Amino acid sequence: QKEVEQNSGPLSVPEGAIASLNCTYSDRVSQSFFWYRQYSGKSPELIMSIYSNGDKEDGRFTAQLNKASQYVSLLIRDSQPSDSATYLCAARRAGGTSYGKLTFGQGTILTVHP
Amino acid sequence: NAGVTQTPKFQVLKTGQSMTLQCAQDMNHNSMYWYRQDPGMGLRLIYYSASEGTTDKGEVPNGYNVSRLNKREFSLRLESAAPSQTSVYFCASMGGLGSYEQYFGPGTRLTVT
Repeated sequence: QKEVEQNSGPLSVPEGAIASLNCTYSDRVSQSFFWYRQYSGKSPELIMSIYSNGDKEDGRFTAQLNKASQYVSLLIRDSQPSDSATYLCAARRAGGTSYGKLTFGQGTILTVHP
Repeated sequence: NAGVTQTPKFQVLKTGQSMTLQCAQDMNHNSMYWYRQDPGMGLRLIYYSASEGTTDKGEVPNGYNVSRLNKREFSLRLESAAPSQTSVYFCASMGGLGSYEQYFGPGTRLTVT
């Protein structure tokens, strides 16, 4: 079982719709979670971080974390064609010699069509 | 602020050649990381440096060495390049002190023939 799993997609949504991206993780000691957006040929760009159970909103983006279910999601409201990219989920294990190390999922390709 | 910078952007090597990938950050971050990204394999950690003066192996360290030259700079060296090291290499940095967010450089696309 992979430590961080994402549906590779592609996920296709119409412009203006809500895109829902999901991620599960296997390591219960994971404490911090991150969503990165990566355009083709570019580097990952951090868009959201979430450390506590519940929802965290930033503009059109909402990250949701449920540690009991080991589940993280990213909602993109009012999706735009410019949101078309690969979205990477990452988890950070707490403490010790694994300080700061992130484990990434394979990424979900999102396509927003006009 | 330039953030995280990497040089070169592109490189072609022949098998057995050596090279050093350079990374620098101007955000006064403590920790720095080297990743490689391959199709179907995602981002994998090669080496990291939790703070100036320390380095540790990541998931895929074989064939690589690193140097944390100072707080700003973290280099990755391929001593004898192999075709399996054809990849896109990303450097990242993280501030620490309760912030675990990593910021990535633009990447180096390396081809080994």
